[in-house]
Amino acid sequence: ILNVEQSPQSLHVQEGDSTNFTCSFPSSNFYALHWYRWETAKSPEALFVMTLNGDEKKKGRISATLNTKEGYSYLYIKGSQPEDSATYLCAFVDTGRRALTFGSGTRLQVQP
Amino acid sequence: EAGVAQSPRYKIIEKRQSVAFWCNPISGHATLYWYQQILGQGPKLLIQFQNNGVVDDSQLPKDRFSAERLKGVDSTLKIQPAKLEDSAVYLCASSSGQQHSYEQYFGPGTRLTVT
Repeated sequence: ILNVEQSPQSLHVQEGDSTNFTCSFPSSNFYALHWYRWETAKSPEALFVMTLNGDEKKKGRISATLNTKEGYSYLYIKGSQPEDSATYLCAFVDTGRRALTFGSGTRLQVQP
Repeated sequence: EAGVAQSPRYKIIEKRQSVAFWCNPISGHATLYWYQQILGQGPKLLIQFQNNGVVDDSQLPKDRFSAERLKGVDSTLKIQPAKLEDSAVYLCASSSGQQHSYEQYFGPGTRLTVT
């Protein structure tokens, strides 16, 4: 069983704060790491797909980094807005099974 | 392009009853997935189809869950009989299978409550 862990479980921040979350995954048999944003009552939406050690990706105010050797990825949100309120999920893809193994997510609430 | 469609969006049933969920993937996507997401946990893969064949159903509780994908397009997931612990969001996802990173596109899910 692959162990993918996310921290913190939940986070409350004020509008304008910057924040970051962590995803830990096995450092062996790495193939890809996905980040999704899941707003209540909507479909999970892909944010980033990361495949190379040292990858850094950015989409507007959201960015992510990847360290495959130590098995972690960080997701950063700069200047949080209420519309950023969602659950952020990471998913690990290994070279063997090639299926997504999800973490339990970080639930972000941004107060106006 | 149209996204992944799922119905119903919400369902409440009593334990021991049966329920079925429907999924229509993105047109042309050969791979279809069903996930179960229990509150406080990440989505767990139940079954993966490649066209109309099963690729992985190792985590599907086959004594009560069944799924089919007739003609390699739409899919149905059934639970018979339901238990209280089946209360969850059931997500359907699809992928073209051509991206080497295995990017998946998700539907909005069906929230099942078993009382």
